[in-house]
Amino acid sequence: EIVLTQSPATLSLSPGERATLSCRASRNIRNFIGWYQQKPGQPPRLLFSDTSDRATGVPDRFSGSGSGTDFTLIISSLEPEDCAVYYCQQRSEWPLTFGGGTKVEI
Amino acid sequence: EVQLVQSGAEVKKPGESLKISCEASGYSFSNYWIAWVRQKPGIGLEWVGLVFPIDSDTRYSPSFEGQVTISADKSTNTAYLQWSSLKASDTAIYYCARSSDYRNFFGFWGQGTLVTVSS
Repeated sequence: EIVLTQSPATLSLSPGERATLSCRASRNIRNFIGWYQQKPGQPPRLLFSDTSDRATGVPDRFSGSGSGTDFTLIISSLEPEDCAVYYCQQRSEWPLTFGGGTKVEI
Repeated sequence: EVQLVQSGAEVKKPGESLKISCEASGYSFSNYWIAWVRQKPGIGLEWVGLVFPIDSDTRYSPSFEGQVTISADKSTNTAYLQWSSLKASDTAIYYCARSSDYRNFFGFWGQGTLVTVSS
C-alpha cells in the first residue's frame, strides 16, 4: 500500500505566521492527494481534493501544491481557528491511506 | 443539505456482536461511495472500507478484511458497519463519510460513533 509520511509532527507558530506542512508518498501518486483539517471533538473537514482543488468555504489563506511524491499544504497567515491536526490522503490506489497527521499549534 | 447521522455510542464486552449505522439524507444515496473510518483515542485516521450503495460494491482495507462487514440498504438510505466478535482493540470512534464527487475524497462526515469494548 502507499505510505504517506507527514512532517513535521507538530508545528508551533504565532498568529500571522506562515505554516508549511509536508506530505510525502512512498511512490508516484500523480496529483491524487487530498487534505483534511480535524479539530478536537469534530470529524475531519475536507480542505483540498487532487492537490489544489479547494473545497467550498475553505479560506484562500490555505493553498495546496505538489505532484508525484511530494505535496505541501500552506497556510499563508495563521489564524487562531487554524489550530487543528491536518491529514493528507491519497486516492491513487486502493487501499486509500492517510498520513499520520501534523498538529498545528498557535 | 447532505446529512449523515450515525447511531449512538455503544459499550460492549469482548466477543459480543455489534452493528452501527449511518443514515444519509439530502442527496441520492445510491450514487456516492460511503466510507467508514476508524480513529483510536489520540491517534490518526484509518480507512476501514467503503461501499457503493447502487450495487453494494464493497472494498476493505487489508487490516480490516475479515474483521468487519460493511453494507448498505438503499430502501432506508443507511450504511452499516458490523462486527461478529468484538475485541478490546476495536475501541475507537468510527466515522462514516460520503465522497464529494466521483473522486474518493470525502467532504461529508457523520458525527462519529464511539465504540467501547471492555470486560
